[in-house]
Amino acid sequence: AQSVTQLGSHVSVSEGALVLLRCNYSSSVPPYLFWYVQYPNQGLQLLLKYTTGATLVKGINGFEAEFKKSETSFHLTKPSAHMSDAAEYFCAVNEGGFQKLVFGTGTRLLVSP
Amino acid sequence: DAGVIQSPRHEVTEMGQEVTLRCKPISGHNSLFWYRQTMMRGLELLIYFNNNVPIDDSGMPEDRFSAKMPNASFSTLKIQPSEPRDSAVYFCASSLAGGTGGETQYFGPGTRLLVL
Repeated sequence: AQSVTQLGSHVSVSEGALVLLRCNYSSSVPPYLFWYVQYPNQGLQLLLKYTTGATLVKGINGFEAEFKKSETSFHLTKPSAHMSDAAEYFCAVNEGGFQKLVFGTGTRLLVSP
Repeated sequence: DAGVIQSPRHEVTEMGQEVTLRCKPISGHNSLFWYRQTMMRGLELLIYFNNNVPIDDSGMPEDRFSAKMPNASFSTLKIQPSEPRDSAVYFCASSLAGGTGGETQYFGPGTRLLVL
């Protein structure tokens, strides 16, 4: 069965610092991988996704993630954090065919001035 | 371009009452999902429709929960009778299914339900 592990329920960074949010997955087949962001009192919004092809995926707001099959990871990074990046971030996996996304428990990103 | 629309945005009710949550998916999308988000359990998929047909309802907690999709532009999630443990944020999402599983799901703003 597919599953997602997000290490760290909270990550704190200073404005301008590197953002690294970790995601590891378990899947019996090559997966589809997603990162969603949730701002307070809002729904989830897609940041980026990996389906096939290039393993380094660029998303909105300067975020990117790299699919590493050997490490079963899909970590999310941003070179320089902005105050507006403060939100909760969810990694999700889908093994394909049936559109059942399995979400991680989320990581709350805190950005200090 | 309108996104997924959910109503009401907030609902406060008393235990035992019937609650109906509504969702209008993005026009042209053929898949609709109902999720529940709580602090304890995170995001859970409750039920998934494709072309208005329920495909998987294994996430529906119990018989008190029911969902319908009478047409491509409307879905409801009903809880009867409601209990305090049903308090959560309920999200509706829609997508244009291509059969691969890599499709993006677009989420509505959610309905925050509080059962007293």
